[in-house]
Amino acid sequence: EDQVTQSPEALRLQEGESSSLNCSYTVSGLRGLFWYRQDPGKGPEFLFTLYSAGEEKEKERLKATLTKKESFLHITAPKPEDSATYLCAVQAGSNTGKLIFGQGTTLQVKP
Amino acid sequence: DGGITQSPKYLFRKEGQNVTLSCEQNLNHDAMYWYRQDPGQGLRLIYYSQIVNDFQKGDIAEGYSVSREKKESFPLTVTSAQKNPTAFYLCATKDLSSGELFFGEGSRLTVL
Repeated sequence: EDQVTQSPEALRLQEGESSSLNCSYTVSGLRGLFWYRQDPGKGPEFLFTLYSAGEEKEKERLKATLTKKESFLHITAPKPEDSATYLCAVQAGSNTGKLIFGQGTTLQVKP
Repeated sequence: DGGITQSPKYLFRKEGQNVTLSCEQNLNHDAMYWYRQDPGQGLRLIYYSQIVNDFQKGDIAEGYSVSREKKESFPLTVTSAQKNPTAFYLCATKDLSSGELFFGEGSRLTVL
């Protein structure tokens, strides 16, 4: 069964304290791994798509990496405005374009 | 503005009532999706449609119904058969070239 697990569930950081969020997956034929940011009461906002192991993408203080079994979202020198829930999702080769989401990691960055 | 519009943003329902959540898009995407989000859980797929006049059940379709009469519109009806309808509902469209999902702002349904 295709599955996505994110850890930790919640993370508190001081401003400037770098860290990483983890997304582990088991899917039959990965077609893409997606990272989204979600603010409270809002819809998720797209961050990155990764397609193959070894791929990396960056955007401001965020960097996403991908291996054959997991993805990391690295946050360098975070600011309070980075506080949000980060969602990971995968598209498997066996389904019809559906994304399977993890439960999310809620990040709080304190000034 | 291009995007996805969900309405209403907040909705209260009495037990036994059906309610319909609206989702309209002007991104010209063929594929549209409805997800449900509960605290501490990932998004779960309710229904999806890859083309007009066609739709498929997702993982938690029981108690829900949809229609896709127009490319721009994909309304979701939460029926009285849904046992636990209080949740945050998200509509999304898909860019088939990138695989990326674009989400609306969500509708929060509360059953009184």
